Amino acid sequence: AQRVTQPEKLLSVFKGAPVELKCNYSYSGSPELFWYVQYSRQRLQLLLRHISRESIKGFTADLNKGETSFHLKKPFAQEEDSAMYYCALLYGGATNKLIFGTGTLLAVQP
Amino acid sequence: NAGVTQTPKFQVLKTGQSMTLQCAQDMNHNSMYWYRQDPGMGLRLIYYSASEGTTDKGEVPNGYNVSRLNKREFSLRLESAAPSQTSVYFCASHQTGRHYGYTFGSGTRLTVV
Repeated sequence: AQRVTQPEKLLSVFKGAPVELKCNYSYSGSPELFWYVQYSRQRLQLLLRHISRESIKGFTADLNKGETSFHLKKPFAQEEDSAMYYCALLYGGATNKLIFGTGTLLAVQP
Repeated sequence: NAGVTQTPKFQVLKTGQSMTLQCAQDMNHNSMYWYRQDPGMGLRLIYYSASEGTTDKGEVPNGYNVSRLNKREFSLRLESAAPSQTSVYFCASHQTGRHYGYTFGSGTRLTVV
C-alpha cells in the first residue's frame, strides 16, 4: 500500500540557516510527488512538483528513487518560510488521489 | 477566477445535528475531493469524485455522504454530527493529468459540541 512519511513534526531553525524537510514514500508504481505549504490558517498551496524540477521561493526537492525520498531543501531560511509543509503522493491511476504525510511545522527564528 | 470556493468558513453544531458543506470550482476540473485535517494526522481523504456522476469512498468515509451535483459542485453531508467529526474540512479539485497537483479551497472549520 502507498504511504508517505514525514518523520519530523517540528523543525526549528534560525534565519539564514539551511533547511531540509524529510519525506519518504512507499509506492509500487512510478511515484508522482508534491510538496504543499500551508501558512497559518490558510488553504494548502502547491509548492513544488517533482516532475517540473523547479525552484519556488528558493525551495528545491529531488526525487531519489533508490532511497524512496523526496526531501525539501532551502539553503537559507527566511522568517516568512514559517509554515506547515506537507509531502504528498499521487496514486490510484485515473482517480488521481493524493495521500499526504502528517506534515512538518517549520519555525524560523529571527 | 475564484478557483475552489467552500462555504461556510466556520460552523458549530450540536451532536446529532446535520449539515452540508458546499464546494464549487470554476476551473472545469473533472475530479473533486473532500479531506479532513486533524492535528498530527495530516489530511485524510473522505470521499472523492473522479468525474461528474461518480463518487467513491476514501480513507475515512464513515459518517459522511457526498453529492456531485454537476461538474462544478461537490457537497459533503454530515447526517448526524458527532464530536469526532470536529475538524477542518478541505475541498480540492484536480486537472486531468498526473503531473498536476490539487487546487484547494480555504477550508471549513467545524466544531461539534
